[in-house]
Amino acid sequence: AQKVTQAQTEISVVEKEDVTLDCVYETRDTTYYLFWYKQPPSGELVFLIRRNSFDEQNEISGRYSWNFQKSTSSFNFTITASQVVDSAVYFCALSEEGDSSYKLIFGSGTRLLVRP
Amino acid sequence: DVKVTQSSRYLVKRTGEKVFLECVQDMDHENMFWYRQDPGLGLRLIYFSYDVKMKEKGDIPEGYSVSREKKERFSLILESASTNQTSMYLCASSLTGQETQYFGPGTRLLVL
Repeated sequence: AQKVTQAQTEISVVEKEDVTLDCVYETRDTTYYLFWYKQPPSGELVFLIRRNSFDEQNEISGRYSWNFQKSTSSFNFTITASQVVDSAVYFCALSEEGDSSYKLIFGSGTRLLVRP
Repeated sequence: DVKVTQSSRYLVKRTGEKVFLECVQDMDHENMFWYRQDPGLGLRLIYFSYDVKMKEKGDIPEGYSVSREKKERFSLILESASTNQTSMYLCASSLTGQETQYFGPGTRLLVL
């Protein structure tokens, strides 16, 4: 069955530290999509990145980077030089090509607290 | 920029009331979704729609219905609100298929 696991429930770091949020997924589909969303205290889910299963290139966007490894079914997210504004809950999600509902399967989220 | 709006950020209703949650997107997206988010249970799909007047049940449709009369608007209806429907409700839309889903700000519903 499809599943997304974010084993880190909560992480606390001091500003300017680097932090990596882990995401492990399970799927039987050969074509699938992986996402990261940020949920600040206001509640809105903010889209960060989408990756398809055929593109294993790592991606960097400013202080954010993502490491996709099919061999370990992982899609980890690293924030470099963290800032207080990065404090939020981060969700990893999976969508399968074979699922006609197009639904996102979310992990349980990792709460990141960046202290000044 | 994609914009998804929801009619209310906070709602307080009484048990048995009929509740309407409205969602509007401005990007001509085909697909629209309603999720609920609960502590410990994550986000779960209630209903989705891939076209006007089309709707499909998600994982937890019981106690809910939906309406999509216009492409940009997707309404979630609680026919008779119950306390176990107290939750955060998130609407999303996507262009088509497995394209990125963009979320609205959410509605925190409290049923007393």
